[in-house]
Amino acid sequence: AQSVAQPEDQVNVAEGNPLTVKCTYSVSGNPYLFWYVQYPNRGLQFLLKYITGDNLVKGSYGFEAEFNKSQTSFHLKKPSALVSDSALYFCAVRVANFGNEKLTFGTGTRLTIIP
Amino acid sequence: GAVVSQHPSRVICKSGTSVKIECRSLDFQATTMFWYRQFPKQSLMLMATSNEGSKATYEQGVEKDKFLINHASLTLSTLTVTSAHPEDSSFYICSARDDRGVGEAFFGQGTRLTVV
Repeated sequence: AQSVAQPEDQVNVAEGNPLTVKCTYSVSGNPYLFWYVQYPNRGLQFLLKYITGDNLVKGSYGFEAEFNKSQTSFHLKKPSALVSDSALYFCAVRVANFGNEKLTFGTGTRLTIIP
Repeated sequence: GAVVSQHPSRVICKSGTSVKIECRSLDFQATTMFWYRQFPKQSLMLMATSNEGSKATYEQGVEKDKFLINHASLTLSTLTVTSAHPEDSSFYICSARDDRGVGEAFFGQGTRLTVV
């Protein structure tokens, strides 16, 4: 079985400060890891993914995430937060293969950037 | 990037009627699509996995006769909520897995269903 934990329901950050949204995972085998963002009444927008290679992956809107195998973590980061970054963020994992295994999502973290 | 179009974005229907939601991959082929339901302030709950040309695989607790899924082509899957009731009111999101590469999944915009 695979699972994702996002330990923080809510994260508040002042505009201009660095932000981190935490994610840890559990999967049998090597993981594919994803971050998505959701705005109110909208679907999920892809931010970034880790498949293989460099542990630090860069994505859309200045976000990046670091894959840490020993800590089974994939925290989302941004050096300088914008008010427009306020949204709901989901981390997701699936096992690394070419089958149709489903994604497992975390419970989401609501990020609020304070002007 | 890859685009998934979900239609309609909002629908209001009367109890007892059926509602069809469409999910289209616009610039890639998707043998596999997924249907999710999201309750307020909660994560996505996978309802079923839709495979082109075969029967959908439903998650435990999801009524397959109530949530009919058809995946007749490599770019289109539909979810029909039959005999809708107010408790079916929710936000439904589809996802299409790109047949190329590592099979990355892209999401539709979601459908807000309100049953009155």
